[in-house]
Amino acid sequence: KQEVTQIPAALSVPEGENLVLNCSFTDSAIYNLQWFRQDPGKGLTSLLLIQSSQREQTSGRLNASLDKSSGRSTLYIAASQPGDSATYLCAFSSRGTSYGKLTFGQGTILTVHP
Amino acid sequence: EAGVTQFPSHSVIEKGQTVTLRCDPISGHDNLYWYRRVMGKEIKFLLHFVKESKQDESGMPNNRFLAERTGGTYSTLKVQPAELEDSGVYFCASSHRDPRLGGYTFGSGTRLTVV
Repeated sequence: KQEVTQIPAALSVPEGENLVLNCSFTDSAIYNLQWFRQDPGKGLTSLLLIQSSQREQTSGRLNASLDKSSGRSTLYIAASQPGDSATYLCAFSSRGTSYGKLTFGQGTILTVHP
Repeated sequence: EAGVTQFPSHSVIEKGQTVTLRCDPISGHDNLYWYRRVMGKEIKFLLHFVKESKQDESGMPNNRFLAERTGGTYSTLKVQPAELEDSGVYFCASSHRDPRLGGYTFGSGTRLTVV
């Protein structure tokens, strides 16, 4: 059973494009949802954290939204740059489990070419 | 501040051998987590320490895996005996406060290959 689904699995865009990464989840009792970035051979870096009571969070060119009722979150990247190339992961923390546990999607591999 | 440190970064062992992975969290972080990513699958939770106590070990796959955190500082994850399906990347993370408020810091991971 896939609890978190990320679409698309991979995305290749030219520099400058605005793009949207999608994340859907089956647990309606989430506590929060996070978006992470992973560069090859590196750990995960937290980009944005949305609490269940919030609708969206913004940081620079990144905007993440959360719709609990539909079980969806999107990560919007404006004016993409080659340095944005990485794997993007969404993960949620559930009210039904221990507070330390994150449930991850498989990620979207983003390539931004010059 | 220093980040979360994991070593080794890579390990190749034969089936049936023992391997011990180590994680040094950020100093002062009471919460320490182990996650694993098996090839082609999503990152999955293994367990969560609060100081030296296991808060949640529901993700540990079987009794071949043993995690410890003596003194509430660094943690080790031992796999004994290793099987082929244990291959993957093992991540450690730490946080100072309730992670639901944010503040996870992940290490770079240990890539384990069992042959």
